Parts: sequence; structure tokens; C-alpha cells
Amino acid sequence: AQKVTQAQTEISVVEKEDVTLDCVYETRDTTYYLFWYKQPPSGELVFLIRRNSFDEQNEISGRYSWNFQKSTSSFNFTITASQVVDSAVYFCALSEGVITGGGNKLTFGTGTQLKVEL
Amino acid sequence: DAGVIQSPRHEVTEMGQEVTLRCKPISGHNSLFWYRQTMMRGLELLIYFNNNVPIDDSGMPEDRFSAKMPNASFSTLKIQPSEPRDSAVYFCASSPPTLRGNQPQHFGDGTRLSIL
Repeated sequence: AQKVTQAQTEISVVEKEDVTLDCVYETRDTTYYLFWYKQPPSGELVFLIRRNSFDEQNEISGRYSWNFQKSTSSFNFTITASQVVDSAVYFCALSEGVITGGGNKLTFGTGTQLKVEL
Repeated sequence: DAGVIQSPRHEVTEMGQEVTLRCKPISGHNSLFWYRQTMMRGLELLIYFNNNVPIDDSGMPEDRFSAKMPNASFSTLKIQPSEPRDSAVYFCASSPPTLRGNQPQHFGDGTRLSIL
């Protein structure tokens, strides 16, 4: 069975601080995909990044960066120089395997509420 | 391009009534997912379809819940009879064909359901 753990329930930082959101996953599959989604106060779920199990390269997109380490089954997300607009709930999710032609379900972590204050 | 469209955005109804939630996936997407979000259980998958065929409905709570996808551009999630514990935000998501691995799911804005 697959499982995603986000141990940090809530994090509060002051604007311009760096913050790292932790994600630890469990799966028996050798092929899997990891995702991060953002849920702002307005409630929609916004896709941020996808990473497959064969690609351990870290990725940077503007102020966002992701650190994938298979050895520790972690896929952490760092926001550099945080801003008030980053305040949201962030979800890490796991999707196992590849179903030819069709998608596969996401297993979500419980989310981390990030509050960025002035 | 239009995203995933869900209706209604909000629904308030009395216990025992039938509730129907609707979803229009992104054009060209062949997978459709229904999720439910509550404070107690977080985000959980209810059911998903590939090419209009239900693949996994193990998350459907009980027989009161049913879902259909009659064509590639429309799906419904029905609760009959509704109960207060069904109160939640229901999300529909769709994803494109998996030409290169599992693709990101794109979510609708959700339906906030309140059963009194």
C-alpha cells in the first residue's frame, strides 16, 4: 500500500524567510510519480510539479525548488524568500505505476499549512 | 483553455435528499477522478475512470454513492439518500493520456456540499 506523510501540520514564517516543507512516502512499486499541489485560501488545487522515480535531479522554478532523495524516500519542497502570497496548504501526493493509456489515482498527504506573515 | 468545470459550486440540502454533482473534464483528457476533502479524512479518492470506464471505485463510501461517465465530456457523482456526514468539498480532476508516465491531474474548483 502506498502512503504519504507530511509531518508538519502548520508552519509560520516571516516574509523573506526560506521554508522547507517535508514529504516522506512509502511504496512497493519501482515506478512511481510524486507531485506537489498548492491549495490557497480560495480552495482550488493547483498543480506545482511532477517527478518520476527514475529522475532524482533536483528542480528549481523561480523561488521554488524540490529535493528528491530515493534513499530516504523523501520529496521536500523549499520556498526561497517567502511571500505572503505563498500562504496556502501544500499537499504532497504519490501515484504508483504506469497504466498504459490511462491515469492512476493520487494518494495525498495530510497537507502542510504555510502562513507567511509580514 | 477551459479547465475542469464543476457544478454546482455550492449545494445545501436536507438529509435524505438526492444530490447530483457534475463535472466536465478538460477536452482531450481521458482520465477522470472524483475526490472528497474533509477535515477528518483529508483528500481521498472516491472513484476514477479511464476512457469512460470505471477503474477503481474502492473509495466510494457505500451504496448511497454512485458515479457515471456516459461520455468523454461529462461525469456525475450522485448521493442518494444524503446524510450530514456526506458534507465535504468534492473535487473532480482530469488528466491527459499517459504517453510518458502518469500525468498531472488538473482539478476543478470543487463543490462545497452541506447536508443539514
